[in-house]
Amino acid sequence: EVQLVQSGAEVKEPGQSLKISCQASGYNFITYWIAWVRQMPGKGLEWMGIIYPADSNTTYSPSFQGQVTISADKSINTAYLQWSSLKASDTAMYYCARIPTRILPIAPWFDPWGQGTLVIVSS
Amino acid sequence: SSELTQDPAVSVALGQTVRITCQGDSLRSYYASWYQQKPGQAPLLVIFGENNRPSGIPVRFSGSSSGNTASLTITGAQTEDEADYYCNSRDRSGNHLVVFGGGTKLTVL
Repeated sequence: EVQLVQSGAEVKEPGQSLKISCQASGYNFITYWIAWVRQMPGKGLEWMGIIYPADSNTTYSPSFQGQVTISADKSINTAYLQWSSLKASDTAMYYCARIPTRILPIAPWFDPWGQGTLVIVSS
Repeated sequence: SSELTQDPAVSVALGQTVRITCQGDSLRSYYASWYQQKPGQAPLLVIFGENNRPSGIPVRFSGSSSGNTASLTITGAQTEDEADYYCNSRDRSGNHLVVFGGGTKLTVL
């Protein structure tokens, strides 16, 4: 079974750094793209970026370029999303999801999704 | 603002058919995919590509497209179908690899 398991909820103060994780199992991790998606409280889904774990090729949404860093560790089948300096506006649920085709589709879709990591940034 | 537009809310009587739409210029060129999200849960892919259902998705879910509008149809809606539904595709300009619609809250009466 293909599964993505994300790290637990985080409560941080503004200005702090954070790295959340998404561990994959049940498939060859390095040959499928992984995406990160934000969902702010009571709002819709926003695509943040994708990474190809085999070579760490990364594409960011223009909306999130420079705001976050996406990375992956092939040795432990894990993708990461990190912030160097959190803001209150980063408070959201963050999901990782797999693009279930080995070649990146022109209009990607996502399956499965991780269970989500809730990040709360508050002083 | 999203380049894919969805009605914020739609309702359907139990057992009836409902169509949830997603509009955007990019849909003239690219397929939309659809996700179901229930409260407190992660999104679940229900339709991808032209009209493909992942394993385990009931046959009552189907997808279609015409012009700049993609549709998710639920034929014989069930109480368990009450959820938020999101479409996604590529953006028109190519600057955004992925865009999501704003979501539609489906109520089953």
